[in-house]
Amino acid sequence: SSELTQDPAVSVALGQTVRITCQGDSLRSYYASWYQQKPGQAPLLVIYDKDKRPSGIPDRFSGSTSGDTASLTITGAQAEDEADYYCNSRDTSGIHVFFGGGTKLTVL
Amino acid sequence: QVQLQESGPGLVKPSETLSLTCTVSGVSISDYFWSWIRQPAGKGLEWIGRIFTTGTSSYNPSLNSRVTMSVDTSKNQFSLRVSSLTAADTAIYYCARQIVAVPPGANYYSMYMDVWGKGITVTVSS
Repeated sequence: SSELTQDPAVSVALGQTVRITCQGDSLRSYYASWYQQKPGQAPLLVIYDKDKRPSGIPDRFSGSTSGDTASLTITGAQAEDEADYYCNSRDTSGIHVFFGGGTKLTVL
Repeated sequence: QVQLQESGPGLVKPSETLSLTCTVSGVSISDYFWSWIRQPAGKGLEWIGRIFTTGTSSYNPSLNSRVTMSVDTSKNQFSLRVSSLTAADTAIYYCARQIVAVPPGANYYSMYMDVWGKGITVTVSS
């Protein structure tokens, strides 16, 4: 299977917590990574190996997986977190990579 | 600091072949896997494929017959060719470093893209 399903849009009040989800059969076998993309910019890795943060990514970003669903949680969302978020994993062969459709996060 | 820079034509004609190059600085290209990803305007990300310096490559099955990647270690560059172009190939094309490795003490392979180029806009039009 090579499909990852994301909600097209999610909103959160400033300072509140938001969870962005990504569902797919391959997530039962492989970890997800998450990318943040702001308008006019290249994607930025924010979570890899399910729950690891690259250097420089604020600790308000966290990741988790349960069954076939991976989640990106932003605890205390800031205005600068408004962006598109994409999950990413492998297909069931483990060789090919694919992305979810993306979630547009609006911080109110 | 690892940096990637895409280069190539901004406009190509339908049915022709697109050739893009990604120049890597700050790290030897020989030590990693390298990927291409594209994004049509207003749409999501699509992984095109990846290559290692040995020439080992994997391509998105939906593009497999039209895509070729190569590596030039002497220039620290890797390249993408997409043939038989149509308007549907119009997109921003990104190159990225793809980590494919077993983390210390782990029993699984990590696979993610940790450094990206800024992207290059390619339009397919006559």
